[in-house]
Amino acid sequence: DVKVTQSSRYLVKRTGEKVFLECVQDMDHENMFWYRQDPGLGLRLIYFSYDVKMKEKGDIPEGYSVSREKKERFSLILESASTNQTSMYLCASSFPLVTRETTDTQYFGPGTRLTVL
Amino acid sequence: GENVEQHPSTLSVQEGDSAVIKCTYSDSASNYFPWYKQELGKRPQLIIDIRSNVGEKKDQRIAVTLNKTAKHFSLHITETQPEDSAVYFCAASKEGGSTLGRLYFGRGTQLTVWP
Repeated sequence: DVKVTQSSRYLVKRTGEKVFLECVQDMDHENMFWYRQDPGLGLRLIYFSYDVKMKEKGDIPEGYSVSREKKERFSLILESASTNQTSMYLCASSFPLVTRETTDTQYFGPGTRLTVL
Repeated sequence: GENVEQHPSTLSVQEGDSAVIKCTYSDSASNYFPWYKQELGKRPQLIIDIRSNVGEKKDQRIAVTLNKTAKHFSLHITETQPEDSAVYFCAASKEGGSTLGRLYFGRGTQLTVWP
C-alpha cells in the first residue's frame, strides 16, 4: 500500500519566516508534486519533480522553492512567508518506474494546513 | 498546456438519485482521465480512471464515459448514498508523454447527498 506522509498536519508561522514543508513516500515513486488547495480554486500545482535534484515549475511557483535531494523526499520551501500563502498544502507522488507501470495515478499525502499570521 | 473545466461546482441530490459531473479538456493528445474523491478533512483518492482507448468504464455504482471527439468525459454515480458526499476532481494527462506525469485538474465539484 502506497504511503505518502507530510511532516505536519497543522502549522502556524509568522510573516517573513522561512517555512519548510516535507513530504516522504515509501513506494520508490519517480515523480513528486506539491499542490496548494484553496476553496473554489481546486488543486493548483506549485512545483513537481521527476527525478532527484530535478524540478519543474507548476502553475503558481512564485514565492516557493523546492528541494529533492533523495528520491523519497520532496520539500517545499516558503522563502519569506506571507499571509496570502495561508492554505492547505498537499503533496503527491506517482510512477513506480521499477514496476514499469505507465500510469500517472497520483497518491496524495494527508495535507498540511499552514496559517501565516 | 492542457485546460480542464469541470461543472457543476456544486451538486445536491436526494439519496438514491443519480449524480453526473462533467469535464472538458483542451488538448486532444491527452489520453488518461482519472477521477479523485476527497472527503471532508481527508486526502484526495483515486476512485476510477479511463484511458482514451476505452469509451466507458464501470465499477459498481460509479461509471465514467469519454467522448474523444467532443473532448469531454463524465462521472456518473447511481443510487447515491450520504457517504458519496465529497469533493470530486477530474483530471487529464498525456500518460507516457512529455508532461512528466503531471495531471491537469478541474476545480472540483462539491457533491452533497441528502438522506
